Amino acid sequence: AQSVTQLDSQVPVFEEAPVELRCNYSSSVSVYLFWYVQYPNQGLQLLLKYLSGSTLVKGINGFEAEFNKSQTSFHLRKPSVHISDTAEYFCAVSPTGFQKLVFGTGTRLLVSP
Amino acid sequence: SQTIHQWPATLVQPVGSPLSLECTVEGTSNPNLYWYRQAAGRGLQLLFYSVGIGQISSEVPQNLSASRPQDRQFILSSKKLLLSDSGFYLCAWSGVEDYEQYFGPGTRLTVT
Repeated sequence: AQSVTQLDSQVPVFEEAPVELRCNYSSSVSVYLFWYVQYPNQGLQLLLKYLSGSTLVKGINGFEAEFNKSQTSFHLRKPSVHISDTAEYFCAVSPTGFQKLVFGTGTRLLVSP
Repeated sequence: SQTIHQWPATLVQPVGSPLSLECTVEGTSNPNLYWYRQAAGRGLQLLFYSVGIGQISSEVPQNLSASRPQDRQFILSSKKLLLSDSGFYLCAWSGVEDYEQYFGPGTRLTVT
């Protein structure tokens, strides 16, 4: 079985500062990895995904993530955040060959001026 | 382009009442469909998924059920709601050969 750990339930940061949201996973098989963003009272929107190839993945809204197989991590980064990035961010994994996602508990990013 | 709809957007129901939430997808054929529940501070929990009409897999035993009467329609039901059924319910779809899922806007259910 797979599991996802997002250690930080909340990350406060000032506008224009860099941010990293951490995601670690556990799996006995190869996985695909995803980051989703959820704005208040809305559904989830796909930020980026890692299926194969380059371990550095670029997504929408200036976000990027790096897959580290040895550390079983897929941390999300942005070099300069905006107020509009305030939202909840979910990391998810799917075992290769299957289409079911396992989500972490989410990290709330709070960007203040 | 593909779109996914959920209704109602919000719902307040008394304990013991029935439930029916609907999800429809447009612009694609034979999608995989999913129901998730999101409780505060607990992430998303997969409830049901479907790979075709009438094919439902349950991930968590509970008093909820799901049905797929048409290719692009997915319904979540309950005969008698419990207080613990309160939460934000999200429907999602994926293509047959895709691994990412696309989510609807969600239904906020409050059981009183």
